[in-house]
Amino acid sequence: EAQVTQNPRYLITVTGKKLTVTCSQNMNHEYMSWYRQDPGLGLRQIYYSMNVEVTDKGDVPEGYKVSRKEKRNFPLILESPSPNQTSLYFCASSLRLGADEKLFFGSGTQLSVL
Amino acid sequence: AQKVTQAQTEISVVEKEDVTLDCVYETRDTTYYLFWYKQPPSGELVFLIRRNSFDEQNEISGRYSWNFQKSTSSFNFTITASQVVDSAVYFCALKGTSYGKLTFGQGTILTVHP
Repeated sequence: EAQVTQNPRYLITVTGKKLTVTCSQNMNHEYMSWYRQDPGLGLRQIYYSMNVEVTDKGDVPEGYKVSRKEKRNFPLILESPSPNQTSLYFCASSLRLGADEKLFFGSGTQLSVL
Repeated sequence: AQKVTQAQTEISVVEKEDVTLDCVYETRDTTYYLFWYKQPPSGELVFLIRRNSFDEQNEISGRYSWNFQKSTSSFNFTITASQVVDSAVYFCALKGTSYGKLTFGQGTILTVHP
């Protein structure tokens, strides 16, 4: 089944403890991206990747890192999480972000930073 | 910079009423793409429609219809004869020619009462 898989679904951590949220897609998609969803603010793009080894900042990249070493995986790294990074995170992928493409989203990761 | 505004934070209707969700966008790009996504209570994000900037034809899909007007920079979404299953958060999104960047609106929470 074609899907975007995020793990974990729920994560509670403490300030400063490094964490990684994994994202994997099985559709051979070139484009992948990360978003955070906060009440009243909608979804805001954190980082995106057009292909392997090609990543770029979205609108809210501060405090996050990503890597794209393989086409299928696009992990989101919080090296020193802070409470303001408590949010619902979504990973998404698309064959290409072009004229005829739509995004496929993962199920989301609810992160709480205490 | 591009921007998407969904001025209606929450809408509440009774089943079988028609409801229109507004979306206004800003972009300097002459070529761009607009999207609507649905987020039901289960939390996943479901693609509804994509529209190119050079195609101003309105679209109808069952009870759903979309009205794209470049003159007013709007891409509104109408649900005819709403049903309880339409209850969800709806997001409008914009992709310009800036490679990889996708901007979402704040979302509109639609509640359809039986």
